[in-house]
Amino acid sequence: EDKVVQSPLSLVVHEGDTVTLNCSYEVTNFRSLLWYKQEKKAPTFLFMLTSSGIEKKSGRLSSILDKKELFSILNITATQTGDSAIYLCAGVLGGTSYGKLTFGQGTILTVHP
Amino acid sequence: NAGVTQTPKFRVLKTGQSMTLLCAQDMNHEYMYWYRQDPGMGLRLIHYSVGEGTTAKGEVPDGYNVSRLKKQNFLLGLESAAPSQTSVYFCASRRDRVLEEQYFGPGTRLTVT
Repeated sequence: EDKVVQSPLSLVVHEGDTVTLNCSYEVTNFRSLLWYKQEKKAPTFLFMLTSSGIEKKSGRLSSILDKKELFSILNITATQTGDSAIYLCAGVLGGTSYGKLTFGQGTILTVHP
Repeated sequence: NAGVTQTPKFRVLKTGQSMTLLCAQDMNHEYMYWYRQDPGMGLRLIHYSVGEGTTAKGEVPDGYNVSRLKKQNFLLGLESAAPSQTSVYFCASRRDRVLEEQYFGPGTRLTVT
């Protein structure tokens, strides 16, 4: 059975801290991994990772994939209160026609001023 | 572009009542999906569609039906609502088979009493 596990489930930090969110996966015929940020409403896309060892970066956020060890991390440096959200990772299953996403439970990040 | 929109935003049903959730996208995407999100369980796929006139079951299809008569719309129906269907429902769309990113709507919060 396909499985994606995120840790920690919740995290509380202060502005300026650096955080690392973890995502491990067991996905049949793995194709890629997606990271989303969910504030009050819809999840919004952050990164798609396909190749092992190549870092994706957007401002203070960065992410990397390790296909050998089956995990990904999302780093946020110099956190701000606006980074408070649920962060979701999802494994994309290959070999199907519809791009099935298997989501983790999410990490709830709270950044205090 | 409005992106992905969902109606209604909130709804309260009594057990046994029926309703339809509407998802619309104006991006000419081929693929559309319905998910439910419950605390601690991430997003789970209910049904999906890979094109106009096609639908298929996801991970948790029981108690739901869908239709995709027009490319831009994907309807989710509950024929006889049960308290276990209390959840937040998200619709998502994806351009085609090549691009794996899914774009999410703002969600519908449904309570069944």
